[in-house]
Amino acid sequence: SAVISQKPSRDICQRGTSLTIQCQVDSQVTMMFWYRQQPGQSLTLIATANQGSEATYESGFVIDKFPISRPNLTFSTLTVSNMSPEDSSIYLCSASGTSGYEQYFGPGTRLTVT
Amino acid sequence: SQQGEEDPQALSIQEGENATMNCSYKTSINNLQWYRQNSGRGLVHLILIRSNEREKHSGRLRVTLDTSKKSSSLLITASRAADTASYFCATDGRVGDSGGSNYKLTFGKGTLLTVNP
Repeated sequence: SAVISQKPSRDICQRGTSLTIQCQVDSQVTMMFWYRQQPGQSLTLIATANQGSEATYESGFVIDKFPISRPNLTFSTLTVSNMSPEDSSIYLCSASGTSGYEQYFGPGTRLTVT
Repeated sequence: SQQGEEDPQALSIQEGENATMNCSYKTSINNLQWYRQNSGRGLVHLILIRSNEREKHSGRLRVTLDTSKKSSSLLITASRAADTASYFCATDGRVGDSGGSNYKLTFGKGTLLTVNP
């Protein structure tokens, strides 16, 4: 299994600003994923991030709003740009296990936009 | 839209009792997985059942899969207060169209389980 850390664990941000969330994995992984979880809701996949290529975004999510970097096999960042209160959520990153099926999750970043 | 739908949305039981959660999905699957999320934290992978399997056990967990009904159930036996968490089913689909061996997950809405001591 992989151990995943995220920074920051939480933040309170002003409307119109941007926040970059970092995700670090303790081993090399092929695929990393970014999810959003709104209060009391399930997880929605934002995008998948493969090292050395552009991230693949799900319907309803665009690169201008959620730019993602994946500079190496152990690290990724998600930026939430031009934030509004509707962006208040928990943002989670994950990585595929060796089988490619199961995923290992970070502890999440709780974002509040005021 | 979400692939999986769990029921019940919330379940409250006493310690020692069994807890059963159900999940339904809409399209064909490769595998179905169950995850646990303690309040405000990341998800923990519990168990994976393949589409050609009907039942799987792991410790106090028992998962069944009925592909004809597009449904799965998670049974936790002899529950403990520490089992209090949200439980999500997730189905997987390939990342992109080029094949490969990595899969993205689509999560259901989850069941909030409360085990009272």
